[in-house]
Amino acid sequence: GAGVSQSPSNKVTEKGKDVELRCDPISGHTALYWYRQSLGQGLEFLIYFQGNSAPDKSGLPSDRFSAERTGGSVSTLTIQRTQQEDSAVYLCASGYNEQFFGPGTRLTVL
Amino acid sequence: KQEVTQIPAALSVPEGENLVLNCSFTDSAIYNLQWFRQDPGKGLTSLLLIQSSQREQTSGRLNASLDKSSGRSTLYIAASQPGDSATYLCAVYSSASKIIFGSGTRLSIRP
Repeated sequence: GAGVSQSPSNKVTEKGKDVELRCDPISGHTALYWYRQSLGQGLEFLIYFQGNSAPDKSGLPSDRFSAERTGGSVSTLTIQRTQQEDSAVYLCASGYNEQFFGPGTRLTVL
Repeated sequence: KQEVTQIPAALSVPEGENLVLNCSFTDSAIYNLQWFRQDPGKGLTSLLLIQSSQREQTSGRLNASLDKSSGRSTLYIAASQPGDSATYLCAVYSSASKIIFGSGTRLSIRP
């Protein structure tokens, strides 16, 4: 595609529910990143995928967070048993040595 | 551990002024440095990428410089316009997977 796309753009959920966030990277980009941006804060690295290598999960804040990348393209970030502190904008980026960002998913946990 | 700092956190200037945004980093062994802008409620838009072997990059009214030895990068905006109002973020690549973002400078251009 022309750019990185993410869905949904907004997600409101109740505390304790599971959510899935989707990222479609730029076609051909082997590197994919997930970040979290809380209100008024900087970007917090979550996870990095590069080709068929094992992902760098060092930024995941807890075991409630997981991510997959199927077929080296689309990625899904899953948050289980959501908490109010999970409320943030979740950003996806693709590109090796230079990142291109999607518009983000705004997650609100009530 | 790489730390990236952007000062000031916020800046307001009248339209037409030239201005400089600063980004400093603690570890000079960097791979690349990238400047982004972020509009409220939006994702990040890439402005300029400086590779470690380069000293500066230019795009239109924007010029970014890199001085690895002093751990600094600057983003120069010429003839500022209200449409330049946004948050500007710098990102330091210690490797392809280790990218540290500054907390940004919120820029406001007054008409």
